[in-house]
Amino acid sequence: AQSVTQLDSHVSVSEGTPVLLRCNYSSSYSPSLFWYVQHPNKGLQLLLKYTSAATLVKGINGFEAEFKKSETSFHLTKPSAHMSDAAEYFCVVSGGLGSQGNLIFGKGTKLSVKP
Amino acid sequence: NAGVTQTPKFQVLKTGQSMTLQCAQDMNHEYMSWYRQDPGMGLRLIHYSVGAGITDQGEVPNGYNVSRSTTEDFPLRLLSAAPSQTSVYFCASSYGQFYGYTFGSGTRLTVV
Repeated sequence: AQSVTQLDSHVSVSEGTPVLLRCNYSSSYSPSLFWYVQHPNKGLQLLLKYTSAATLVKGINGFEAEFKKSETSFHLTKPSAHMSDAAEYFCVVSGGLGSQGNLIFGKGTKLSVKP
Repeated sequence: NAGVTQTPKFQVLKTGQSMTLQCAQDMNHEYMSWYRQDPGMGLRLIHYSVGAGITDQGEVPNGYNVSRSTTEDFPLRLLSAAPSQTSVYFCASSYGQFYGYTFGSGTRLTVV
């Protein structure tokens, strides 16, 4: 079975400083991994995805994530936070073989950005 | 604009009432899903479909029905609303598991 653990429920950074949102996964198969962002009272937007190609994945708005199989991690980073990055971020694993590609969500990390 | 369209955006129901949440996509995606979002829980899968005429249950299917008569539409029916179904509901669609899903803007449902 697949599962996702987001290690921090809330992260607070100052504008201009780096962002690190941590995610560990468990999967019996080579997983597809995603990061989604949700701004307040909005739907979910795909930030980036890993599907067994390059282990360093670049996404939108300057975010990137590195797939580390040995650590079963897929942490999301950004070199310099912007006020507009304040949102909730979800690490997601695709369910793998037999799951019809259904998504399994972590519980989310709320990112606050201080001026 | 291409995407996933959900209606209504807001709904208040009384306990025991029934209703249908609508979802339509115009991207010719085969895969469609319904999720509910509750505080601190992330999103949980209710029902999903991998093509017209094919549906299956997700993690939390009780109290909900779905059907998929066309590729474009995937309505979610609440049979007899309960306060525990107060939530935000998201519909999503995809070409398949390697592509990621496109989400609708959500329906905020309150059952009183």
